[in-house]
Amino acid sequence: LAKTTQPISMDSYEGQEVNITCSHNNIATNDYITWYQQFPSQGPRFIIQGYKTKVTNEVASLFIPADRKSSTLSLPRVSLSDTAVYYCLVDSGGYQKVTFGIGTKLQVIP
Amino acid sequence: EAQVTQNPRYLITVTGKKLTVTCSQNMNHEYMSWYRQDPGLGLRQIYYSMNVEVTDKGDVPEGYKVSRKEKRNFPLILESPSPNQTSLYFCASSVAGTGRNYGYTFGSGTRLTVV
Repeated sequence: LAKTTQPISMDSYEGQEVNITCSHNNIATNDYITWYQQFPSQGPRFIIQGYKTKVTNEVASLFIPADRKSSTLSLPRVSLSDTAVYYCLVDSGGYQKVTFGIGTKLQVIP
Repeated sequence: EAQVTQNPRYLITVTGKKLTVTCSQNMNHEYMSWYRQDPGLGLRQIYYSMNVEVTDKGDVPEGYKVSRKEKRNFPLILESPSPNQTSLYFCASSVAGTGRNYGYTFGSGTRLTVV
């Protein structure tokens, strides 16, 4: 299972674009990159998943360079409701231990 | 609605009194897992199951038991709870297999306090 490294915390003002980068130097060929959002006392919620290049959905974009050793979650024009912990997870899907780590605590400031 | 259901949401118990936290999913997922979450330590995996009758230890299995007799259910058992098992617990499930799994679906959590 690829080990991931992401910043412990970030602050952003409302309306700004936020980019959270995750490093995963030993990502394997079969691994996908998935980001989750967690609000206090709730379970993590799937945001976006990708394998390479760029993926976009109604919530976020995920940028993955060609070497796949890192990925960046981009949240456009954040609001106060985007204040949460964001986890980067790299795994090949459901046959192994899965470690979410501590995540990145994003604080959106009015 | 596709979901993972945990019960109870809140539980206060005394040291040594056996308890079970239930987890059920309605998505026909092969993979199910239990996590505990403590301040500053993130989500740590307790046990996981790749299918019926197939379970394995996660990072923090001591003091816990699990069983997977049916595909949809994955109960977490604390035979003799201790105060250091006071935590927020999450159950999760996903499709299984190498490659894309479309992410893990989590339950709403069980806040356990052992006094």
